[in-house]
Amino acid sequence: QSALTQPASVSGSPGQSITISCTGTSGDGGGYKYVSWYQQHPGKAPKLMIYDVSKRPSGVSNRFSASKSGNTASLTISGLQAEDEADYYCLSYTSSSTYVFGTGTKVTVL
Amino acid sequence: EVQLVESGGGLVQPGGSLRLSCVASGFTFSNNWMNWVRQAPGKGLEWVANIKQDGSEKYYVDSVKGRFTISRDNAKNSLFLQMNSLRAEDTAVYYCARGKYGAKTCDIWGQGTMVTVSS
Repeated sequence: QSALTQPASVSGSPGQSITISCTGTSGDGGGYKYVSWYQQHPGKAPKLMIYDVSKRPSGVSNRFSASKSGNTASLTISGLQAEDEADYYCLSYTSSSTYVFGTGTKVTVL
Repeated sequence: EVQLVESGGGLVQPGGSLRLSCVASGFTFSNNWMNWVRQAPGKGLEWVANIKQDGSEKYYVDSVKGRFTISRDNAKNSLFLQMNSLRAEDTAVYYCARGKYGAKTCDIWGQGTMVTVSS
């Protein structure tokens, strides 16, 4: 149950696009059939942004999109805005019916 | 409004016990898997445990197996986490999170309750 690997930090200027990766072994990631992404602002609970690899919950901006290729999942934020500055975590459901989070990525809007 | 409210956190000595509670409202509690997730101060998220709708299946992260027990009372819309043999490394904010129906994810989160293990 090792954490999935994410870059510690990613930054971009307003209006730009950034991509956050989430990498793990096929064992940890359960084949990545079920990958979610969360946004967490300081002192707040996480907010679900993406689930089932690329689905957006109702109310989440379409500036957030996601995909996967092999053992790497990715979250892309387009048209970066100041409010997007936060920590982002991937989450994968495993073949053992458990979950594993990524190490987390701090997004900075320059 | 869909809501999860945790309680029961506090300061406990190493080796001690604590029972966390989470009360759900605004949805049919018995329809969803439920989870506990924790976050140590300044650290990332760690999934802790989950429980099936009827309580028949329970899963844990390796680091808490044998020490923590997840349970639920569907009649009271409540989720619990009994934590025994607590260690300093269990210090964290503990979140209750709803398993999204029909998906493998957590969609609704509580505000969290802080557990501090220290002498």
